[in-house]
Amino acid sequence: AQSVTQLGSHVSVSEGALVLLRCNYSSSVPPYLFWYVQYPNQGLQLLLKYTTGATLVKGINGFEAEFKKSETSFHLTKPSAHMSDAAEYFCAVSDAGGSNYKLTFGKGTLLTVNP
Amino acid sequence: ETGVTQTPRHLVMGMTNKKSLKCEQHLGHNAMYWYKQSAKKPLELMFVYNFKEQTENNSVPSRFSPECPNSSHLFLHLHTLQPEDSALYLCASSQEGAVEQYFGPGTRLTVT
Repeated sequence: AQSVTQLGSHVSVSEGALVLLRCNYSSSVPPYLFWYVQYPNQGLQLLLKYTTGATLVKGINGFEAEFKKSETSFHLTKPSAHMSDAAEYFCAVSDAGGSNYKLTFGKGTLLTVNP
Repeated sequence: ETGVTQTPRHLVMGMTNKKSLKCEQHLGHNAMYWYKQSAKKPLELMFVYNFKEQTENNSVPSRFSPECPNSSHLFLHLHTLQPEDSALYLCASSQEGAVEQYFGPGTRLTVT
């Protein structure tokens, strides 16, 4: 069974500060890892994904994440927070079963950006 | 329309009502999913359809009845729901063999 733990249900940063959202996973197979963002009253939007290859993954809106197998982590970072980054962020791991990749999500981290 | 659309966006229903949620994907995908998002809980996968065939039912109560008439449309029929079924219901789609799923905006369901 796979699981995802997001440390911190709520993270608050100042505009221009570093954003760091933590995600740890457990998986019995090499994982595929994802970060999704959810803005108020909207669905989930894919920020970035790791499948194979380079462990540092760049996504949209200036976000990036690094896959660290030894630490079973996939933390999300952005060097400088913008007010528009305020949203809820979800880390997910896939279960590559058959022809569909089932996603297991963490509980989410709400990011607040203060002016 | 582009991406994944869901209607209605908001729904209030009594415990004895019957209603349906609709999802449509305009991406040419062949797999569709229903998720339930409740406050303070991770997203829960409910159903998976692959080429119109149900391939996953995650122990969902029978008061939720999915229907997938074709690869572009997915319905969730609701009847005799409970207040704890109040949640955001998200639809997603993906292409066979692809890892990423694309989500709709969700239907906010309130059961009174």
